[in-house]
Amino acid sequence: GDSVTQMEGPVTLSEEAFLTINCTYTATGYPSLFWYVQYPGEGLQLLLKATKADDKGSNKGFEATYRKETTSFHLEKGSVQVSDSAVYFCALGISGTYKYIFGTGTRLKVLA
Amino acid sequence: NAGVTQTPKFQVLKTGQSMTLQCAQDMNHNSMYWYRQDPGMGLRLIYYSASEGTTDKGEVPNGYNVSRLNKREFSLRLESAAPSQTSVYFCASSEGASGASSYNEQFFGPGTRLTVL
Repeated sequence: GDSVTQMEGPVTLSEEAFLTINCTYTATGYPSLFWYVQYPGEGLQLLLKATKADDKGSNKGFEATYRKETTSFHLEKGSVQVSDSAVYFCALGISGTYKYIFGTGTRLKVLA
Repeated sequence: NAGVTQTPKFQVLKTGQSMTLQCAQDMNHNSMYWYRQDPGMGLRLIYYSASEGTTDKGEVPNGYNVSRLNKREFSLRLESAAPSQTSVYFCASSEGASGASSYNEQFFGPGTRLTVL
């Protein structure tokens, strides 16, 4: 069945370091892919999305490219800030349905 | 424009008690969802409502019931709470256009933290 696998955390980085959070998926059809971010005590909010192969989603300095050949959607940021500390979830929207599947989340902690 | 609201924010129940979690959205979205979030498990779908008047089971529906009261409101009921239902519950909504719904982002409420003793 459809699934999402993302790297386990926590990930601890110094401010201005480069960030990569890996996400791979298994899906039939042509899913859309999302990254959501959850700040402490809050619900999830959309960070970026891509709806077809080779699309690049970007927002707030974060980027991810929909790679069909490697079934991946890795999240990257060139220079993280303390304010980026949060939990990041990779998700896929199952084509032809109303369902979404979320990964287990990766906690990021950025130290000043 | 409040987005997705949930009540209550916190709740403590004893085993066997019942309660209803309320959710409302003001974005005129068609689809609404209930998830639970547990450490190391990510978000798991309990029930969803693709459109007003319809509800369907998700990944972990046992022990829960839902009601899509109208287009705005989608409630989740625990008839007889169990300690295994201790979790954070999130309601979400999305535009849910037929056939293209999986492309639409979901908007989440702030969550309800439930503890069952």
